[in-house]
Amino acid sequence: GAGVSQSPSNKVTEKGKDVELRCDPISGHTALYWYRQSLGQGLEFLIYFQGNSAPDKSGLPSDRFSAERTGGSVSTLTIQRTQQEDSAVYLCASSTDGTGVSGELFFGEGSRLTVL
Amino acid sequence: SQKIEQNSEALNIQEGKTATLTCNYTNYSPAYLQWYRQDPGRGPVFLLLIRENEKEKRKERLKVTFDTTLKQSLFHITASQPADSATYLCALEGYSSASKIIFGSGTRLSIRP
Repeated sequence: GAGVSQSPSNKVTEKGKDVELRCDPISGHTALYWYRQSLGQGLEFLIYFQGNSAPDKSGLPSDRFSAERTGGSVSTLTIQRTQQEDSAVYLCASSTDGTGVSGELFFGEGSRLTVL
Repeated sequence: SQKIEQNSEALNIQEGKTATLTCNYTNYSPAYLQWYRQDPGRGPVFLLLIRENEKEKRKERLKVTFDTTLKQSLFHITASQPADSATYLCALEGYSSASKIIFGSGTRLSIRP
């Protein structure tokens, strides 16, 4: 596609439910990032993929969070047993650089998650 | 731990003046520093990248400096316009291929007519 696509754009769920957020990066981009942005805050790093592997998972807040990437393309961020503090905008970004260094990030518009 | 600080949460200046935003970092030796613009409800958009061996980079009305001794980057918008009003984020990246890109909390810039 022309840009990074994220779905759903908005998700309202009840506490305790599982949610899946999807990111479709720009075709050919090897690096893929997930960030979380709470209202009025900066971007909190969650996880970074280089191809299908994740060199850095250090930002995942808890074991309720997991992410995978298949075929070097689409990525899914899964949050199990959601809590109210998980409410935020989840942003995905991709980058062309095969080494993961010096790559300009192209962001999607984000998935806004609200946990009631 | 690695820390990035942007000078203030909000900056208000008069149209036509130069806006200067600051990004300071600690416990990090970045290879690259990037600046992004974010409008409300949108994803960030890349503006400029500067390498650790570069002192200054320009693009139209934008100028970025990078001082690895002071561990600081300055981001300037000259002849500012109300359309420049947005949140500006700085981001750092290390040397290795496994290095993640981390962001500051952003500065909300408002340009009044």
